[in-house]
Amino acid sequence: ETGVTQTPRHLVMGMTNKKSLKCEQHLGHNAMYWYKQSAKKPLELMFVYNFKEQTENNSVPSRFSPECPNSSHLFLHLHTLQPEDSALYLCASSRTSGGNTGELFFGEGSRLTVL
Amino acid sequence: AQSVAQPEDQVNVAEGNPLTVKCTYSVSGNPYLFWYVQYPNRGLQFLLKYITGDNLVKGSYGFEAEFNKSQTSFHLKKPSALVSDSALYFCAVRDMSSGGGADGLTFGKGTHLIIQP
Repeated sequence: ETGVTQTPRHLVMGMTNKKSLKCEQHLGHNAMYWYKQSAKKPLELMFVYNFKEQTENNSVPSRFSPECPNSSHLFLHLHTLQPEDSALYLCASSRTSGGNTGELFFGEGSRLTVL
Repeated sequence: AQSVAQPEDQVNVAEGNPLTVKCTYSVSGNPYLFWYVQYPNRGLQFLLKYITGDNLVKGSYGFEAEFNKSQTSFHLKKPSALVSDSALYFCAVRDMSSGGGADGLTFGKGTHLIIQP
């Protein structure tokens, strides 16, 4: 069982729908991340939260809206997505102090299909 | 800016033979280097990391990687491949000068490793 849990594992939505992806980590980490994984492309870092504060937004379109209510939970709210947004969305967490070397711990991912 | 290159989309190896998956990196300072493995429909699992010290790093499932600073490489190796090693492998880097902040890792595009029985 992974220390990072993502739900749902699979999601199919229309371009006009609104849905959310959820991530929860049980590792006591302070930082959480959203990555996008598309076929034959490097993992794309989307958002970074450190102690609930967003510290990085890699020019992600506004149709993706992250929320981090506390250090253990991270959401990705989705609205008016495009078919090219279909991908595997990976959540990860890490420490940010005490000899942090940047190692990330990943969830199993949420496979999103936009019709 | 930091970057990772994995020059091979796919590596094919016969079971029992040694395997190598290549990775080169670019950072402005000294690197933290990582290898992750991804099985179908799963997240990324940590295999091993180089922080400092011995250039040969040993990790999970019999994998090891060799840090070569002059060639800016961090190739993943295993002496004897198993069919169960077939998966997608990612190399990743973080600039050590980033300190204790949260800034994620920069990943390569991944290499499919196929072990043939």
